[in-house]
Amino acid sequence: AQTVTQSQPEMSVQEAETVTLSCTYDTSESDYYLFWYKQPPSRQMILVIRQEAYKQQNATENRFSVNFQKAAKSFSLKISDSQLGDAAMYFCAYRLMEYGNKLVFGAGTILRVKS
Amino acid sequence: SAVISQKPSRDICQRGTSLTIQCQVDSQVTMMFWYRQQPGQSLTLIATANQGSEATYESGFVIDKFPISRPNLTFSTLTVSNMSPEDSSIYLCSVEGTGDLTDTQYFGPGTRLTVL
Repeated sequence: AQTVTQSQPEMSVQEAETVTLSCTYDTSESDYYLFWYKQPPSRQMILVIRQEAYKQQNATENRFSVNFQKAAKSFSLKISDSQLGDAAMYFCAYRLMEYGNKLVFGAGTILRVKS
Repeated sequence: SAVISQKPSRDICQRGTSLTIQCQVDSQVTMMFWYRQQPGQSLTLIATANQGSEATYESGFVIDKFPISRPNLTFSTLTVSNMSPEDSSIYLCSVEGTGDLTDTQYFGPGTRLTVL
């Protein structure tokens, strides 16, 4: 079964600094998608970034970028120039290709931003 | 991405009762999904709802407990039946994106349910 592991239950970063959240996954598929979602206290799940496994180039979205290591099955999220509004729970998710559009989520990492 | 709304945003219910949660999308989508997020936990898929067919439930979730309707391409409901305190969770609906983003899911604001 596919699993997603986020080994950091909680991380802290100073405002304007850079932080990296880790995520590993287990799959036997070669084509899949990976996502990072952000869930602030408002509980809205917000898409941060997506990565297509067949693309070797790491995805970037403004201050957010990923380090996708397919062989190592690693998908870390880097947040640059951290802002107070980045404080949230971050979930890594994997999309199964074999069954509809099902997402499998990791346990989440709480990110705290210090001013 | 589509604009997704859910009603109610939160509710407090008595055990043994049922609650129906609505999910409305501002555009037509083929697939809609219902997730449960128990307190302090991650998201778990309950079922996938396609218009015109029965919902497909994940292991551990049954239709009698979580009946789902999908009457058209912009609307779905999830009912939590015969509730117990263990059903206290956030329930979220999501939809697939459009165009080049059909592989991506976008979420509604969630419904926070507390069962006493």
